[in-house]
Amino acid sequence: AQSVTQLGSHVSVSEGALVLLRCNYSSSVPPYLFWYVQYPNQGLQLLLKYTSAATLVKGINGFEAEFKKSETSFHLTKPSAHMSDAAEYFCAVSLLSNFGNEKLTFGTGTRLTIIP
Amino acid sequence: DADVTQTPRNRITKTGKRIMLECSQTKGHDRMYWYRQDPGLGLRLIYYSFDVKDINKGEISDGYSVSRQAQAKFSLSLESAIPNQTALYFCATSPNGAWETQYFGPGTRLLVL
Repeated sequence: AQSVTQLGSHVSVSEGALVLLRCNYSSSVPPYLFWYVQYPNQGLQLLLKYTSAATLVKGINGFEAEFKKSETSFHLTKPSAHMSDAAEYFCAVSLLSNFGNEKLTFGTGTRLTIIP
Repeated sequence: DADVTQTPRNRITKTGKRIMLECSQTKGHDRMYWYRQDPGLGLRLIYYSFDVKDINKGEISDGYSVSRQAQAKFSLSLESAIPNQTALYFCATSPNGAWETQYFGPGTRLLVL
């Protein structure tokens, strides 16, 4: 079984400050990990993903995430927040399956607010 | 044109009515999914299909059914709508593989009175 926990349903940071959104996962086999972003009144789009290559993954809009197996974490960071980063962010996990039932399991989301 | 489209974008219906939400994709992907989004609960999988002849239940399939009419089309039906099915519904597609990105439609906002 797989699961994802996102700590903090709401995070507020000042413009120009560091963004840190936390994600911890649980899985019985090596996972594939994703961060998706949802801007207001839109569908989700991929921000970045970890697929067992480099543990530090760079995504769009200056975001990056580091896979830490020992901590079962995949936290999302951005050095300097911009007003356009205001959105809801979802961490998700997927596992390779021999039974053909691979599914993406989402966390409950973190709403990021940027303070001018 | 958008790669994944959903119709309608907004719908208000009454308890007990049957309603169908439609999804079309031009990405040529075999895999398609239906999710619902509720505040504080994230996205939960309703049904998924890995090819035209393959339909699988997700974690919250009760009260829903689906039809995969073609590789490009995947419809979600609420046989008898109830108020707790009020939610934002998303369709998504992906290439084959657990590591592949899912591509989402713009969503359908459904209100059941």
